[in-house]
Amino acid sequence: DAEITQSPRHKITETGRQVTLACHQTWNHNNMFWYRQDLGHGLRLIHYSYGVQDTNKGEVSDGYSVSRSNTEDLPLTLESAASSQTSVYFCASSDSGTPRRGQFFGPGTRLTVL
Amino acid sequence: DQQVKQNSPSLSVQEGRISILNCDYTNSMFDYFLWYKKYPAEGPTFLISISSIKDKNEDGRFTVFLNKSAKHLSLHIVPSQPGDSAVYFCAASARDSNYQLIWGAGTKLIIKP
Repeated sequence: DAEITQSPRHKITETGRQVTLACHQTWNHNNMFWYRQDLGHGLRLIHYSYGVQDTNKGEVSDGYSVSRSNTEDLPLTLESAASSQTSVYFCASSDSGTPRRGQFFGPGTRLTVL
Repeated sequence: DQQVKQNSPSLSVQEGRISILNCDYTNSMFDYFLWYKKYPAEGPTFLISISSIKDKNEDGRFTVFLNKSAKHLSLHIVPSQPGDSAVYFCAASARDSNYQLIWGAGTKLIIKP
């Protein structure tokens, strides 16, 4: 069965460290997204990609970067982790042009920055 | 400015009764609306959607109603079951933004036995 996976599921790091969160999907979807979820805010878009070599900034992109070298993977990098980046991070993917089916989500990564 | 609002952070409903979750939006360009369900320690899962050209969409126990003039949609769950206890997110998308999802803050639904 096709799926979307994230690793690690939990991560504790220190302020100033570089951290990379992995996202891998086997749906063969062109579109991939990274969100963070914080209490009272729902899901906020960090970065997204509509295909290989395409990346775009979302609503809360400062301090984060992504790269898309193949269809399956969209790693999220925190360049220099800050306590404000403590959050739960979700990766998602979707078909192009099928809005009614929405996006498929991974299980999330809980990141704590001390 | 929040374009999608879920004004009830939580809702408690008796098992077997109807659960009604509400969502308001401000952007008249939205043309698809979706509901997602989220259990703790899991990612959101797609539940049901509705196009702006419709006013109702039904899938088993779940029905979504859209009132475009009021910029309001609601999710009805009948009858409510214990497994429905979760956080429900409303999301909206527009063709002119390539159907990116704009999310509400979520409503935690608790089904009481």
